Amino acid sequence: QITLKESGPALVKPTQTLTLTCTFSGFSLSSRGVGVGWIRQPPGKALEWLAVIYWTDDTRYSPFLKNRVTITRDTSKNQVVLTMANMDPFDTATYYCAQSADLWNAYLPYWGQGTLVTVSS
Amino acid sequence: QSVLTQPPSASGTPGQRVTISCSGSSSNIGSNTVNWYQQLPRTAPKLLIHNNNQRPSGVPDRFSGSKSGTSASLAISGLQSEDEADYFCAAWDDNLDGVVFGGGTKLTVL
Repeated sequence: QITLKESGPALVKPTQTLTLTCTFSGFSLSSRGVGVGWIRQPPGKALEWLAVIYWTDDTRYSPFLKNRVTITRDTSKNQVVLTMANMDPFDTATYYCAQSADLWNAYLPYWGQGTLVTVSS
Repeated sequence: QSVLTQPPSASGTPGQRVTISCSGSSSNIGSNTVNWYQQLPRTAPKLLIHNNNQRPSGVPDRFSGSKSGTSASLAISGLQSEDEADYFCAAWDDNLDGVVFGGGTKLTVL
């Protein structure tokens, strides 16, 4: 059974750096073809893709957030970490991590429950 | 403004067939496969269709997907009240080098 779960602060202040951890089970990030990505959704709005990291350690980022976002993995802990710098109230959203089941694809068969992050002073 | 374009809303009565469109370009839908996600209120998105027209195990065959050129469609036949949800299309974009989503379509079952 594949599960993913996001964890991190519910509230961050403007200009701070957000660090979110995705802890997963049921698959390995060292298996060929596998990746983990992050997607966010502001309240009442659309999904926005942020980044992905693959089993090769290859990474891709949204060009709209590229300079602010970093994605890393700890294969031994089955975790993927997303950091986002210089947070702004516009970054208030539910942040999801999801398994990416194919390279360079939007095929995301498993999602975490999401974690709401509010940016406010 | 989302890279993939979807109608903001759609509606139908129980038993009807509803279609939701997703329009893109040569760098995304035109050259990569399309995936569809269903998001019920206050829940995480769920994969509904992958690889243009493949249903994951457990997804009813009332849901079907298709793709032609730079556009894709999700069809729901035999509409049920439990289908009331937001639907998002997604594809890899070769120019942006990442995943792009549609703006989402809110389906109302009248």
